[in-house]
Amino acid sequence: RKEVEQDPGPFNVPEGATVAFNCTYSNSASQSFFWYRQDCRKEPKLLMSVYSSGNEDGRFTAQLNRASQYISLLIRDSKLSDSATYLCVVTLGTGGFKTIFGAGTRLFVKA
Amino acid sequence: GAVVSQHPSWVICKSGTSVKIECRSLDFQATTMFWYRQFPKQSLMLMATSNEGSKATYEQGVEKDKFLINHASLTLSTLTVTSAHPEDSSFYICSARGLTATDPSYNEQFFGPGTRLTVL
Repeated sequence: RKEVEQDPGPFNVPEGATVAFNCTYSNSASQSFFWYRQDCRKEPKLLMSVYSSGNEDGRFTAQLNRASQYISLLIRDSKLSDSATYLCVVTLGTGGFKTIFGAGTRLFVKA
Repeated sequence: GAVVSQHPSWVICKSGTSVKIECRSLDFQATTMFWYRQFPKQSLMLMATSNEGSKATYEQGVEKDKFLINHASLTLSTLTVTSAHPEDSSFYICSARGLTATDPSYNEQFFGPGTRLTVL
């Protein structure tokens, strides 16, 4: 079983659609959780951190369920510019600090 | 946010040559830098964790004698791909995190723009 698993994708959606990405992680000792966005042939960029209380940033909402070891990202009113690969990222411990990336889910938003 | 630079951004070399990639944190000090490799249509795979002033910790399956890492200062880490072969062609990305638990950048990794290596 992979340490971080994401929806395999790709997702093809029209502009304005709502898209949900799911992610599960296997290590219950995981401490920090993030969603990154990666455009083609570019480095990943932090989209948002994920907290147990849930957090929202404009059209983006992230949720964490520690009991289920599940993370989600919701994009509302999707734009063409949202087309990218979304990476679920989990870190283990603040001391050892190992970062594990999910394989990513590719999103295509079409006009 | 904090800025991490990489140099070169791309390199093409002949098989058998060595290539050095630099990773610099420009506006913060980084005790720890990470080196990743990404093959086309795959996710980032951690190669090694580089701690300033000590030996790097390599992930399973990554040859430490082939991928030499030097982290001589709090703002610079280098990755040298020795005797590169076509199968080493990949996108190499470094990231850095801040100095201490109170540093705002501590729990976030800042990525460099990546270096695309092509070995002929």
